[in-house]
Amino acid sequence: NAGVTQTPKFQVLKTGQSMTLQCAQDMNHNSMYWYRQDPGMGLRLIYYSASEGTTDKGEVPNGYNVSRLNKREFSLRLESAAPSQTSVYFCASSDLTSTTYEQYFGPGTRLTVT
Amino acid sequence: AQKITQTQPGMFVQEKEAVTLDCTYDTSDPSYGLFWYKQPSSGEMIFLIYQGSYDQQNATEGRYSLNFQKARKSANLVISASQLGDSAMYFCAMSPGGSQGNLIFGKGTKLSVKP
Repeated sequence: NAGVTQTPKFQVLKTGQSMTLQCAQDMNHNSMYWYRQDPGMGLRLIYYSASEGTTDKGEVPNGYNVSRLNKREFSLRLESAAPSQTSVYFCASSDLTSTTYEQYFGPGTRLTVT
Repeated sequence: AQKITQTQPGMFVQEKEAVTLDCTYDTSDPSYGLFWYKQPSSGEMIFLIYQGSYDQQNATEGRYSLNFQKARKSANLVISASQLGDSAMYFCAMSPGGSQGNLIFGKGTKLSVKP
């Protein structure tokens, strides 16, 4: 079991460029999440997908779009990157039928926008 | 507003001693979950412990225990017998009822274990 995988691990973009962060999980979880972590801050929810075919905004959705491609994959797209989107991005998944709703996190993508 | 507050930006503890990391939460939902995650310098998020709002007993996982005081809305993490490998950032998080598992995180506490 690989758990939650994310690609790429690192990325540098120029302002205005676009890119897609990929996330996949092999735990058969229904729910998937995208968070960002800024220096000195906890993680903040960008978008989530409670189940295949559904997506919803979290606390900080502006400037992002998501796609739940299938049960395994949940991608995050930056259409026109801005320096304020420099951050570490984490994907997570969970099984809402479990007793704890524990979220399993990927290793993160460190994004720098210049 | 739903919020997690961690008031200790940094903590030091001597190896083999116990340490308590503070966490208070704010929610009006009767049903919620409380979590602690560890983030070492390598950056990954590691789940440590969970407490449900209706759980009568404090959660324990090995050297980790969660001191849950519902009336005070606090969920402090206690690490017993600290080890050098415990040096990391620790985040308290809450999943409000009906949130479909979404987590609200505190800003974290950086724990340093001294030999």
